[in-house]
Amino acid sequence: AQSVTQLGSHVSVSEGALVLLRCNYSSSVPPYLFWYVQYPNQGLQLLLKYTTGATLVKGINGFEAEFKKSETSFHLTKPSAHMSDAAEYFCAVIYSSASKIIFGSGTRLSIRP
Amino acid sequence: DGGITQSPKYLFRKEGQNVTLSCEQNLNHDAMYWYRQDPGQGLRLIYYSQIVNDFQKGDIAEGYSVSREKKESFPLTVTSAQKNPTAFYLCASSVPKGPQHFGDGTRLSIL
Repeated sequence: AQSVTQLGSHVSVSEGALVLLRCNYSSSVPPYLFWYVQYPNQGLQLLLKYTTGATLVKGINGFEAEFKKSETSFHLTKPSAHMSDAAEYFCAVIYSSASKIIFGSGTRLSIRP
Repeated sequence: DGGITQSPKYLFRKEGQNVTLSCEQNLNHDAMYWYRQDPGQGLRLIYYSQIVNDFQKGDIAEGYSVSREKKESFPLTVTSAQKNPTAFYLCASSVPKGPQHFGDGTRLSIL
């Protein structure tokens, strides 16, 4: 079945450290890929998206993600974490054979002072 | 600015009562969606509509109903048949194969 997997329901990093949030999809055909951020009591906000073209995608707030077809991955990174990055992050996928978006289960990012 | 407006932000339901959550968008998107989010949980799809006057059940439609009479509007009714309605409800819209745009959510609680 088509799916999207986020490894780690909770990730904690120190302020200034690298942020790495993992996302893997399940199809050999490249899908459309998205990362969203959700702050408490708010809706989801689109961070970045990959449809076609350049495999390294830059988003808002200094985040970027790299589409790796050989690894079926779309991991989210940020070189230096800020306290304001503490939030829930969702990876999402639209497979070419489907019309619906599939969301991962989310990763809660905590930032240690 | 274009966007999605959900109202109210907080809503309380009494036992046996139906309540309706509003969702309006001015993005000219054909597709609209309703999700339920429980504490520490991901998103679960309740209903979605890809065109006016048509909608489909999602993964957890029991106890909920929707209508899509206008492109801009997709209200969700939480009926008395939904025995555990306390949750955060999110509305979204999109173009085909495009990212979903979300409202700020409605938090529903039981009195």
